[in-house]
Amino acid sequence: KAGVTQTPRYLIKTRGQQVTLSCSPISGHRSVSWYQQTPGQGLQFLFEYFSETQRNKGNFPGRFSGRQFSNSRSEMNVSTLELGDSALYLCASSSNGGQFTDTQYFGPGTRLTVL
Amino acid sequence: QKEVEQDPGPLSVPEGAIVSLNCTYSNSAFQYFMWYRQYSRKGPELLMYTYSSGNKEDGRFTAQVDKSSKYISLFIRDSQPSDSATYLCAMSTNTGNQFYFGTGTSLTVIP
Repeated sequence: KAGVTQTPRYLIKTRGQQVTLSCSPISGHRSVSWYQQTPGQGLQFLFEYFSETQRNKGNFPGRFSGRQFSNSRSEMNVSTLELGDSALYLCASSSNGGQFTDTQYFGPGTRLTVL
Repeated sequence: QKEVEQDPGPLSVPEGAIVSLNCTYSNSAFQYFMWYRQYSRKGPELLMYTYSSGNKEDGRFTAQVDKSSKYISLFIRDSQPSDSATYLCAMSTNTGNQFYFGTGTSLTVIP
């Protein structure tokens, strides 16, 4: 079974621009979660989608948004980029996401650098 | 105060040493505890999970949870250079699917 894939792997943008990141979950998985990873804050939860609906949301500003398509693929968008948005953005998929024992499988991440 | 605290290290040990990695947490509602390993340029991968106090063993790895002290540990016996990675603790309540992560501890095992 193919793992979680994320595109692009690396991205360089300038302040004020917007960016869209893509995540393809493991086949059959319906839950996709997004995280931001920085050295100082670690992994911080952005949001989780299940069957095209956002089920959970972390404490990030409205500039961070996402969506999920009918094939479970998910996109994350960040508008009006700030220097502090430079981070590794990780996507994780799980089969149901509704059970706390449901294992999350992470992709390799997209490294975003904002200049 | 962050809900999950983890010493970032870095931690450097000789091959064969016993490694102890620790996290503390503040939310007594956390019921499910996990350890992830993250190699450079990779996403985290699940090592172990447990949802009760006490010890859980898997090969060279032992996860320990003390809910009364809100303290979890991961022990690595006979550490190998291939164990060199960042180790992240994570936890969640039993009602949600949101995981709270520590910042990770960087471990280097020297041959």
